[in-house]
Amino acid sequence: DVKVTQSSRYLVKRTGEKVFLECVQDMDHENMFWYRQDPGLGLRLIYFSYDVKMKEKGDIPEGYSVSREKKERFSLILESASTNQTSMYLCASSLEDRAEAFFGQGTRLTVV
Amino acid sequence: GQNIDQPTEMTATEGAIVQINCTYQTSGFNGLFWYQQHAGEAPTFLSYNVLDGLEEKGRFSSFLSRSKGYSYLLLKELQMKDSASYLCAVNRGYSTLTFGKGTMLLVSP
Repeated sequence: DVKVTQSSRYLVKRTGEKVFLECVQDMDHENMFWYRQDPGLGLRLIYFSYDVKMKEKGDIPEGYSVSREKKERFSLILESASTNQTSMYLCASSLEDRAEAFFGQGTRLTVV
Repeated sequence: GQNIDQPTEMTATEGAIVQINCTYQTSGFNGLFWYQQHAGEAPTFLSYNVLDGLEEKGRFSSFLSRSKGYSYLLLKELQMKDSASYLCAVNRGYSTLTFGKGTMLLVSP
């Protein structure tokens, strides 16, 4: 079974803090993604990566950056957390284009 | 631009059939996915259509018409455990997905 593991289920951070959300997948998938999910807005793509050290902006990259130093790990970084970044963050991976994406359990981040 | 529409909520009775519609207008189309998401859980894959027509998988079927920008998910013999949110998502390439806002399905006894 494919497993996508996110390091935390719940996080509470203060405004202005630098926040790291970690994601690891164990099936040698090429593609990895970060989405955020908000009520009434659905899932929106923040960043994605189709290879190690490669990254591409998604639809809402402002205020975020990512790092992919190893194939299995994709990190989302909030450079200076703000209250409007309070959300559910979902990491996903897929083997290739047109392949289903497998999602992690999500990290519910609250910025106070 | 990207626009994916699906109904916000639907209700149905156990044992019945329900159809959840999805219309889309996107720049780039490389197939359409349906995911199921129970409250507090991760989305899980249900189906993928890249060519026109019907794909059947057990109690679930999904249909695609690319010329009409239209898809539906058909759930048969509904069970209580099918109460969940159903997400329509267009693959724009590299498996990057644009999601609709989701349809909350409530199945009652």
